[in-house]
Amino acid sequence: KAGVTQTPRYLIKTRGQQVTLSCSPISGHRSVSWYQQTPGQGLQFLFEYFSETQRNKGNFPGRFSGRQFSNSRSEMNVSTLELGDSALYLCASSLAGRGLGLAGTKDTQYFGPGTRLTVL
Amino acid sequence: AQRVTQPEKLLSVFKGAPVELKCNYSYSGSPELFWYVQYSRQRLQLLLRHISRESIKGFTADLNKGETSFHLKKPFAQEEDSAMYYCALRRTSGQGAQKLVFGQGTRLTINP
Repeated sequence: KAGVTQTPRYLIKTRGQQVTLSCSPISGHRSVSWYQQTPGQGLQFLFEYFSETQRNKGNFPGRFSGRQFSNSRSEMNVSTLELGDSALYLCASSLAGRGLGLAGTKDTQYFGPGTRLTVL
Repeated sequence: AQRVTQPEKLLSVFKGAPVELKCNYSYSGSPELFWYVQYSRQRLQLLLRHISRESIKGFTADLNKGETSFHLKKPFAQEEDSAMYYCALRRTSGQGAQKLVFGQGTRLTINP
């Protein structure tokens, strides 16, 4: 099975611009989560999508948004980029059944290689 | 709110020596705990999870609910164990079950 893929791998933008990152999950996986990784804050959860619906959201401003398509591919968008948005953005996919707690004990998140975003 | 603490940013041991990477968590419910590892130039990958109670690459981790800890141990370190290790927590009930809360990570270096 092919792993989680993310495009592009590297991106350079300037302040004020917007950016869209893409994530293709492992075939059959329906949940996609996004994380931001920075040296100062570490790995922080952004949001999770399942069946085209945002199921959970972290503590990030509204400039960060995402969506999921019917084939489970996901995109995340950051508008009005700030210098502090420079980070490695990781996507993770899992099987994740629907419902409270059903994701539970036998599910594993598989991570992609990340997109390195630099904001100048 | 959930929190995961890895008190050591850097840990350096000699090959063949025992290794223990510390992880403490705070969570009012019943959590699921994981250790993820990131080798140089590779993606983040799951090393082990507490519910599996298995040993992976010689590593084990026991969940101690009394001390709210999930320390990672290996009796004899090998050079290929050098990597960044992250402890993570996930809730097992309620919404947000797929949200992982990560510690800041510990960079483990095994000296020859």
